[in-house]
Parts: sequence; C-alpha cells; structure tokens
Amino acid sequence: ILNVEQSPQSLHVQEGDSTNFTCSFPSSNFYALHWYRWETAKSPEALFVMTLNGDEKKKGRISATLNTKEGYSYLYIKGSQPEDSATYLCAFYGTASKLTFGTGTRLQVTL
Amino acid sequence: DAGVTQSPTHLIKTRGQQVTLRCSPKSGHDTVSWYQQALGQGPQFIFQYYEEEERQRGNFPDRFSGHQFPNYSSELNVNALLLGDSALYLCASRLIATNEKLFFGSGTQLSVL
Repeated sequence: ILNVEQSPQSLHVQEGDSTNFTCSFPSSNFYALHWYRWETAKSPEALFVMTLNGDEKKKGRISATLNTKEGYSYLYIKGSQPEDSATYLCAFYGTASKLTFGTGTRLQVTL
Repeated sequence: DAGVTQSPTHLIKTRGQQVTLRCSPKSGHDTVSWYQQALGQGPQFIFQYYEEEERQRGNFPDRFSGHQFPNYSSELNVNALLLGDSALYLCASRLIATNEKLFFGSGTQLSVL
C-alpha cells in the first residue's frame, strides 16, 4: 500500500503571510507528482504536474519543488490571500499507473 | 467547452440498495477514473477506464463496478450498499497518451442510510 503523507493537516495564516506545505511519497517507482487545489463546493483543480528530480514550477504566487530521490515535494504560497483558502492535495503517480492522493492540507487565510 | 460533468449531484439510498453514478469526460479526453472521497481522507482511487475496459483498479471490493461507453462517458455502479459507502464520488478525465493533469467533476454526494 502506497503511503502519501501531507503536513501539516491544517494551517491558519493571516493575509500577507507566506506559507509552505510538505508532501512525502515513495522514492521508488516514481513517475509524476501532482498538486491540486480544492476549494469548498468546487472541483479539485490541478496546480502542477512534476516529473523530474529538482523540478521547480511556479504559477503566480504559488510554487512547488520536487525531490524524487528522497521522496518529498514542497508547495509554497507567497503573500497568502483569502482566495488561497482551500485544501491542497498532492498525488503520487507511480508505475502502477494510478494516482494515490494524500489527505491534504487545509489552508485558511484570514484578513 | 464543457468540463467533466457528473450526475446526480446528491443521492440518498438505503443499505442493500444499488446505485449508478454517471460521468461525462471533458471534451477530447478518452480516459475516465473514479475516486471515493470519505470524510477526513484524500480521494481514494477506485478504477480507471480506457477504450471501454477497466485498466487499473484500486482496493475496492467487487461490489464496485463500472462501465465506459463508446462516447467515453462512464458509469460507476455500487451494489449491496453499506453505510460505509457514504462518500463523495469524484470522476476525473484525461488523455491516456499524456502525463497530463486530471480534470475533475464536482462529484456525487452519496448518503447511505
């Protein structure tokens, strides 16, 4: 059974704070690592698909890094805004050709 | 361009009944996968369909079955419902030939009483 772990489980920050989350995944049989943002009452929406060790992706104020050798990825949000409030899910895509999701990090940004 | 659509949005069933959930993939996508999202957990992979066949399967009992039609739409069937089947069921689509992100529907909330 694949183990994909995310930390922290939840996070409460103020507007303007920068924050980061961690996703740990198996370092063997790696194919890709996905990050999704899931806002309440909406569908999960893809942020990044990362495939190469050392990969860094950026989308606006959100960025992510990938270390496949040690099995972790970081998601960073710079200058958090209330609209960033959501659950952030990572998912490991291995050679078994199926996505295994973590339990997510729930972020709440307040004014 | 319609995204992934799922129906119904909500459903209430009783133990022992059977249920069918439906999904239409994003236009141009040929692969559909189903996930179960229980409270406090991440989405759990149920199975994936491509070319009208189940290609991969997660750790779900045979009570969970599916189908993909020639137009790429898909159904998820659950027989002999248990209370523990209460969850949000998400459908996602992509192109099989790519390592692209999944596009998700908004889900069907199933309550088993």
